[in-house]
Amino acid sequence: GAVVSQHPSRVICKSGTSVKIECRSLDFQATTMFWYRQFPKQSLMLMATSNEGSKATYEQGVEKDKFLINHASLTLSTLTVTSAHPEDSSFYICSASPWGVYGYTFGSGTRLTVV
Amino acid sequence: TQLLEQSPQFLSIQEGENLTVYCNSSSVFSSLQWYRQEPGEGPVLLVTVVTGGEVKKLKRLTFQFGDARKDSSLHITAAQPGDTGLYLCAGDNNDMRFGAGTRLTVKP
Repeated sequence: GAVVSQHPSRVICKSGTSVKIECRSLDFQATTMFWYRQFPKQSLMLMATSNEGSKATYEQGVEKDKFLINHASLTLSTLTVTSAHPEDSSFYICSASPWGVYGYTFGSGTRLTVV
Repeated sequence: TQLLEQSPQFLSIQEGENLTVYCNSSSVFSSLQWYRQEPGEGPVLLVTVVTGGEVKKLKRLTFQFGDARKDSSLHITAAQPGDTGLYLCAGDNNDMRFGAGTRLTVKP
C-alpha cells in the first residue's frame, strides 16, 4: 500500500512549450503533496507544497507562474512547467504522506529534458 | 542553503567495513527520516525517528535521533556492495526538506 504514481517517467519537449506532470496517490488520500526538483548528483530541493482545494505554497526563488500546480482532488496533483527552457531540464519528484509525520512515499520521478 | 547538513557527501569503502553518516541541523524536527535513492528513481523510506534519543535498527543499519531532535546518524555495519546508493536524511516540520545526501559506494 501507500503508492504514489507519477507520470510521465520521461519527457522531452521543445523550448517554449509546456509540460504537465501528474502525481497520484493510488491507495490513500493526500490533502498535501510536495514537489521536488533534483539536479544530477544533487539532493532534492523542495519547490512547492501542493494543497488540495487551495493555492500551492512556493519556496523562495521558485516562480509560481512558471511552475503551475493544481491539486484538484485528494488523489491528484499536477505540476505544469510553462514555457520550458533548457535550464528547466531536471528530475522532478512528488511525494505524499499516508502516515502523517511518520514518513513519506515518493513517486518514481519524471526526467524532463528541454531541447 | 540546506536546512540539514549531511556528512560526508561522498564515501567509498570496502565490503565489510563499517560507516556512519551524520545529519545535523539547528532546527528541531517533529520527526526525521532516512531515505535511500537509486539512480533515476524516487527515494525510498528506510526509517522514521520521532522521539529524542530514539534508536532503531533495520538489519545492519542503526539509526539514532539526537536527544534534542536536531540531529541523527545512520550507522551501517559490515557494508555490502548492495548498500551502494544515495542516502538522504529529511526533517519534517509540516514540510519535508532534505540534506545534501551521502553517496555511498561499497566496493567488493
